[in-house]
Amino acid sequence: KQEVTQIPAALSVPEGENLVLNCSFTDSAIYNLQWFRQDPGKGLTSLLLIQSSQREQTSGRLNASLDKSSGRSTLYIAASQPGDSATYLCAVRDNTGKLIFGQGTTLQVKP
Amino acid sequence: NAGVTQTPKFRILKIGQSMTLQCTQDMNHNYMYWYRQDPGMGLKLIYYSVGAGITDKGEVPNGYNVSRSTTEDFPLRLELAAPSQTSVYFCASRSTEAFFGQGTRLTVV
Repeated sequence: KQEVTQIPAALSVPEGENLVLNCSFTDSAIYNLQWFRQDPGKGLTSLLLIQSSQREQTSGRLNASLDKSSGRSTLYIAASQPGDSATYLCAVRDNTGKLIFGQGTTLQVKP
Repeated sequence: NAGVTQTPKFRILKIGQSMTLQCTQDMNHNYMYWYRQDPGMGLKLIYYSVGAGITDKGEVPNGYNVSRSTTEDFPLRLELAAPSQTSVYFCASRSTEAFFGQGTRLTVV
């Protein structure tokens, strides 16, 4: 059974810091991995999608990496801003088509 | 460009009542999903569908039913609502990338 874990559960950093969020999964047989952002009381917004054949994807200040063999992905946020404060969730698509989520990392960026 | 639309946004149910949460997508996606999210937790998969006429259970299907008669619609039915079903419910669809609706906040009292 695929299990997805995100560490840390919460993170507080001063504005301007670069930071890394971690996502690990137990079964390396995945089709892709997707990072989402969730603001309080809102739905999920897709940030980055990495196919299983890819090593990383970049969008603006965000960079996501994938190491399938070790069952790990990281989301790197450069020069963090207060507007980056949100919960970040990763999800893996397994070989049955299911999307399985981690519990998320709640990020607070202090001005 | 509507994407994934969920209705209603909010609902209060009494114990034992039934209701249907609606989800529709206009992206012609085959895959659709229903999740619930409890406070401070990630998303738990209730049911999913790989195409019209095909549904399958996720992690937490008890107390729920789904149907998929068309590609666009994937309603979630709650029978005999219980306080444990108080949660925020999200519907999603995907081809490669997944897209989510804005959620339905359900309270069972």
